Amino acid sequence: DTAVSQTPKYLVTQMGNDKSIKCEQNLGHDTMYWYKQDSKKFLKIMFSYNNKELIINETVPNRFSPKSPDKAHLNLHINSLELGDSAVYFCASSPSSGRYYNEQFFGPGTRLTVL
Amino acid sequence: LAKTTQPISMDSYEGQEVNITCSHNNIATNDYITWYQQFPSQGPRFIIQGYKTKVTNEVASLFIPADRKSSTLSLPRVSLSDTAVYYCLVGRILTGGGNKLTFGTGTQLKVEL
Repeated sequence: DTAVSQTPKYLVTQMGNDKSIKCEQNLGHDTMYWYKQDSKKFLKIMFSYNNKELIINETVPNRFSPKSPDKAHLNLHINSLELGDSAVYFCASSPSSGRYYNEQFFGPGTRLTVL
Repeated sequence: LAKTTQPISMDSYEGQEVNITCSHNNIATNDYITWYQQFPSQGPRFIIQGYKTKVTNEVASLFIPADRKSSTLSLPRVSLSDTAVYYCLVGRILTGGGNKLTFGTGTQLKVEL
């Protein structure tokens, strides 16, 4: 009965490879997010999807592409991985409402290491 | 975007009250202030949220002055299990949907016996 799940938990790969991280939420939320947390623990939003439409696309390289097959899933695909992509990536979800920012529920994170 | 800054770290002892302040000078009218807690190898977890004045729940209180340019998370009688990183988040709903969110730099709280 995990609310927000991510796979894999750990991902080790070589520079130049293409990889994907999957995220699923069973909370019935309308909005899902991807965050990057670097080695200094800074959390930065990368994308958010609301009802399968991209709403925020922060200044991230276009090597990163979010894909949402349905409202419960938001996958992150990364092309041509670079050393600087090494970080922990968190998926999150939140309900939508008219005016108020809503609590986000985070997944356990995926630690990506690029060698 | 609201720029949010927090102390890098704080130390405390069990049973003490801990206050962590976040500065957000450029907060917008529609921005809410939310605090999250993060343990090692886990995702952040919601603690409390407010817009102005004071909010209290079963785990914490949030104090927001009238100008809303800062906020203070208050943890009463901390225990060892409160050792974690605490983030403030300033965010709002955008016209047309979605959120504009800025996480603070995080404060590592260490609680000792």
